Amino acid sequence: NAGVTQTPKFQVLKTGQSMTLQCAQDMNHNSMYWYRQDPGMGLRLIYYSASEGTTDKGEVPNGYNVSRLNKREFSLRLESAAPSQTSVYFCASSRDREIYSNQPQHFGDGTRLSIL
Amino acid sequence: AQKVTQAQTEISVVEKEDVTLDCVYETRDTTYYLFWYKQPPSGELVFLIRRNSFDEQNEISGRYSWNFQKSTSSFNFTITASQVVDSAVYFCALRDVSGSARQLTFGSGTQLTVLP
Repeated sequence: NAGVTQTPKFQVLKTGQSMTLQCAQDMNHNSMYWYRQDPGMGLRLIYYSASEGTTDKGEVPNGYNVSRLNKREFSLRLESAAPSQTSVYFCASSRDREIYSNQPQHFGDGTRLSIL
Repeated sequence: AQKVTQAQTEISVVEKEDVTLDCVYETRDTTYYLFWYKQPPSGELVFLIRRNSFDEQNEISGRYSWNFQKSTSSFNFTITASQVVDSAVYFCALRDVSGSARQLTFGSGTQLTVLP
């Protein structure tokens, strides 16, 4: 039972390069999320998707784009990477479809991204 | 706006000691949800517990217990007879209805080290 799978696990980029982080879940969840984790700041929401075909901005969306390819997959793209985007990125999913719900979010193992 | 404060940045205990991790939250909503997550050294985030704002019963799960007190806006987590495997970063998180609908607001985390 894989849960939430993120690829790659590690990546080093140069400033200005682009890349896409991939995320897939096999739990038939409706909602998916991208967070970034920085030292001493907990996790902050970048974007989320309540269902296939919809995406919304979170707390820190600048410099990122997302695509909800289908119910299983939710990708995060950095068009022109900057050193400030060096972070650990987590994808998560949850079962809830309703706007307000108490369903827990289940996380992938994270992608460690360094931008030089 | 919602906020979660974990004032203890790092805690170190000796195996078999009891330890309490503090979590204080702020929200203007009467309906909200609180969560605890564990992040072991391997980096993944593991869901531990969810508490609804209208359910103030404390909960015990094995060596773990949670004390939810609305009067002090706290949701503290106690590990009894700690073990080395409990060493991890623990995050408290809040989800309410006034902010971004699906956003989890995380505290900055408490690094727990259990020494043998």
